[in-house]
Amino acid sequence: QVQLQESGPGLVKPSQTLSLTCTVSGGSISSGSYYWSWIRQPAGKGLEWIGRIYTSGSTNYNPSLKSRVTISVDTSKNQFSLKLSSVTAADTAVYYCARDLGGLNYYYYYMDVWGKGTTVTVSS
Amino acid sequence: QSALTQPASVSGSPGQSITISCTGTSSDVGGYNYVSWYQQHPGKAPKLMIYDVNNRPSGVSNRFSGSKSGNTASLTISGLQAEDEADYYCSSYTSSSTHVVFGGGTKLTVL
Repeated sequence: QVQLQESGPGLVKPSQTLSLTCTVSGGSISSGSYYWSWIRQPAGKGLEWIGRIYTSGSTNYNPSLKSRVTISVDTSKNQFSLKLSSVTAADTAVYYCARDLGGLNYYYYYMDVWGKGTTVTVSS
Repeated sequence: QSALTQPASVSGSPGQSITISCTGTSSDVGGYNYVSWYQQHPGKAPKLMIYDVNNRPSGVSNRFSGSKSGNTASLTISGLQAEDEADYYCSSYTSSSTHVVFGGGTKLTVL
């Protein structure tokens, strides 16, 4: 069964770029009709969708973050990645990667498999 | 402020039923049948419980059900159990450029 694991620095300085990788195991990232998503959750707050990528490279981004976000995929490594530039304290959150059923129906933004999440703190 | 409105908290006793509401607009909940619900236990990742308003993924208990009327979607949990105590988030496709919106979350307490 498919499992996802986030990895990356837990501490990022203000104005720098946050970089996270999600490794997919138990299945190929290229198989099936799935998008691969990033979602974040500030401590004690709700979920915020960041964006998603299809294995073709097609992406959708949250417009509130679009100018700072890049999501990419490396099918040879069975990984996809998130880069968020010019971070501030407001970007401090738990970041989750997830499998998205959007390949089945473009209107689907359903995340059915999630990583455990990784905490990223933005601080000098 | 979240795009979808949920009550901050609900509570119920074991065996009872509870309903959590999720109010949006005609651009999201009211306009499309692409509503989902997630359960999140403290320190854990969210879990998809309902999609397409009222469909359950494989493995989700049939005690969980969803519905929609107008701009408001609802999650009902019947036969409440202690393990149901968690935060619940609704989500919907939106025709706005945001693509998808979430509710602010509802904390369910099992008394």
